[in-house]
Amino acid sequence: QKEVEQNSGPLSVPEGAIASLNCTYSDRGSQSFFWYRQYSGKSPELIMFIYSNGDKEDGRFTAQLNKASQYVSLLIRDSQPSDSATYLCAVNLRTGFQKLVFGTGTRLLVSP
Amino acid sequence: GAVVSQHPSRVICKSGTSVKIECRSLDFQATTMFWYRQFPKQSLMLMATSNEGSKATYEQGVEKDKFLINHASLTLSTLTVTSAHPEDSSFYICSARTGGIGNQPQHFGDGTRLSIL
Repeated sequence: QKEVEQNSGPLSVPEGAIASLNCTYSDRGSQSFFWYRQYSGKSPELIMFIYSNGDKEDGRFTAQLNKASQYVSLLIRDSQPSDSATYLCAVNLRTGFQKLVFGTGTRLLVSP
Repeated sequence: GAVVSQHPSRVICKSGTSVKIECRSLDFQATTMFWYRQFPKQSLMLMATSNEGSKATYEQGVEKDKFLINHASLTLSTLTVTSAHPEDSSFYICSARTGGIGNQPQHFGDGTRLSIL
């Protein structure tokens, strides 16, 4: 089992729809969770981070964390073509305190 | 805030050349910096973790004598690819994190695209 798993996609949604991106992790003791967006040929940029169970909202983005089920998700409301990118889930595993473990990413395609 | 600058953005050089990449945190002090490489259509692969004033911690399979890391100050880390060969061609990305605990986010530089001829 991979430490952080994401569906590679692509996830295709029409403009204006809600995009839902999911991530599961293996270490129940994981403490912090991050979502990064990476455009093709560019480096990742931080979108959101979440530490506590529940929802955290920032503009059109909502991160959801469920530690009991060991999953974290990212919702993008009113999706725009400019949101088309690969979304990386990253987890700070308890066993690797300093570093983040990244999923392979989910490619999102938003069609006009 | 939390801006990380990485230079150069692109390097093309001959096989056998050593290449130095700089990573700077511009508006914060980074006690920990990380170096990643990414091959086309693959995810990030952590190469090493760099703490200011101490030796870097390399991931399994990464040759420390080939990828020299120096973190001499709280705002600068460098990665030197020694005697680079075509198989070292990749996208190298650094990141920096504030604070000494792992739950702070990492902020990434723009990356360096290295092409070895």
